[in-house]
Amino acid sequence: KAGVTQTPRYLIKTRGQQVTLSCSPISGHRSVSWYQQTPGQGLQFLFEYFSETQRNKGNFPGRFSGRQFSNSRSEMNVSTLELGDSALYLCASSLEWAEGLNTEAFFGQGTRLTVV
Amino acid sequence: AQTVTQSQPEMSVQEAETVTLSCTYDTSESNYYLFWYKQPPSRQMILVIRQEAYKQQNATENRFSVNFQKAAKSFSLKISDSQLGDTAMYFCAFMNRDDKIIFGKGTRLHILP
Repeated sequence: KAGVTQTPRYLIKTRGQQVTLSCSPISGHRSVSWYQQTPGQGLQFLFEYFSETQRNKGNFPGRFSGRQFSNSRSEMNVSTLELGDSALYLCASSLEWAEGLNTEAFFGQGTRLTVV
Repeated sequence: AQTVTQSQPEMSVQEAETVTLSCTYDTSESNYYLFWYKQPPSRQMILVIRQEAYKQQNATENRFSVNFQKAAKSFSLKISDSQLGDTAMYFCAFMNRDDKIIFGKGTRLHILP
């Protein structure tokens, strides 16, 4: 069973540009979440999608957006990049919550974004 | 809002020793999942152990076990017979019915030879 795949693994962008990151979840998983990881702030929740709908959103500015396609693949977009957006962006997929189902989130290897 | 607190930013122990990582959380919900994830230098987040809140029995996975105290909202991880490969960042995490996972800031664990 293939794991969560994130592309690209590394990105270097210039301030003011925009970037799109991609995440392919494990087959059968309909929930996809995005996290930003930085040394100072740790792992911060960006948003979560389920069946093409955003169900949860973290405290990030509107420059951060996402979407999910009918095949559960998800993209995250950051517009007007700032230096502070440099981070590791992690995507996780999971089955829908159900008691006793031993829910867990499976993570991709992340995309390392550097803004210069 | 749910919060997860890990009070130990960094720890070091000798190989083969036992180490306990602390985690407390805050929630008003009655059922939820708690996790410990490990992130080695390769950056890949790996699930170490999972606990469902309605199960009173503490979860165990080989050398890893938890002490889950629901009333105290405490969820500590014990690593027995620690190995060099256990060196990593460890994150305590909380998941509710919305499938939203909240992470603590992590504990960097060094296993010394």
